[in-house]
Amino acid sequence: NAGVTQTPKFRILKIGQSMTLQCAQDMNHNYMYWYRQDPGMGLKLIYYSVGAGITDKGEVPNGYNVSRSTTEDFPLRLELAAPSQTSVYFCASTGEGTEAFFGQGTRLTVV
Amino acid sequence: GENVEQHPSTLSVQEGDSAVIKCTYSDSASNYFPWYKQELGKGPQLIIDIRSNVGEKKDQRIAVTLNKTAKHFSLHITETQPEDSAVYFCAASRNDYKLSFGAGTTVTVRA
Repeated sequence: NAGVTQTPKFRILKIGQSMTLQCAQDMNHNYMYWYRQDPGMGLKLIYYSVGAGITDKGEVPNGYNVSRSTTEDFPLRLELAAPSQTSVYFCASTGEGTEAFFGQGTRLTVV
Repeated sequence: GENVEQHPSTLSVQEGDSAVIKCTYSDSASNYFPWYKQELGKGPQLIIDIRSNVGEKKDQRIAVTLNKTAKHFSLHITETQPEDSAVYFCAASRNDYKLSFGAGTTVTVRA
C-alpha cells in the first residue's frame, strides 16, 4: 500500500519562481488536504478538497493554488515563491470516518 | 474557526515515567479529537483518537481523556520508552475532516 505519496521531498526555489508540489493517494479517499508546518506552529491548513472538482481555502491560502481533477491527485501550486513560503508541506487524505493519512512531506526553501 | 492550544511545548521524562500532554479547544461543536505522533523526517501518524460521546479511551500504554464541559483533552503515555521520543500533535474537528492542530509537544525520553 503506497498511501499518500508526495514529490519532491526537497526543493530549493529562488524568489519569484514557481513550482508544483505533487500529491497522490491510492486509498480512494474523497477528502484531501495541504498543510504547512513551521517550527513551533503546528500544521496550518492551506487548501482542502472534499471531492474531485471541489476545492476550498483553509487558514493560510494566500500565495497558493490547488486543483482536483481526479480523486487520486491534489497538486499544490506556488506561483511567485516568497521567503515566507519556506516551510515543510504535508499532503493528507481521509475517507468517510477514517483517520487522516499523511505523506512524508516536502521541505521547501525559498532563497 | 477552531483554535487548539497545546501544552507543554517540550517535555523531558525519564524512561519508565509517565508523560502527559494537554490540549484545549474553542469550538463546542467539535466532536473528534485525534492525536498524532511525528518522528523526525516523517509525516504525522495517528496514534489514538476519541469522539465526544466517550470520556476515555486506552490502547496499551496510551490513553486519551476528554472533558467536554471544560473543552480539554489529554494524552497520557505510561512506562515511557526511548521510541516514544517524537513530536506529538493534538487536533480537533467537528466533522471528521478539516482538522485544527495544536502547536505540538516535543517529547524526549531520557534513558
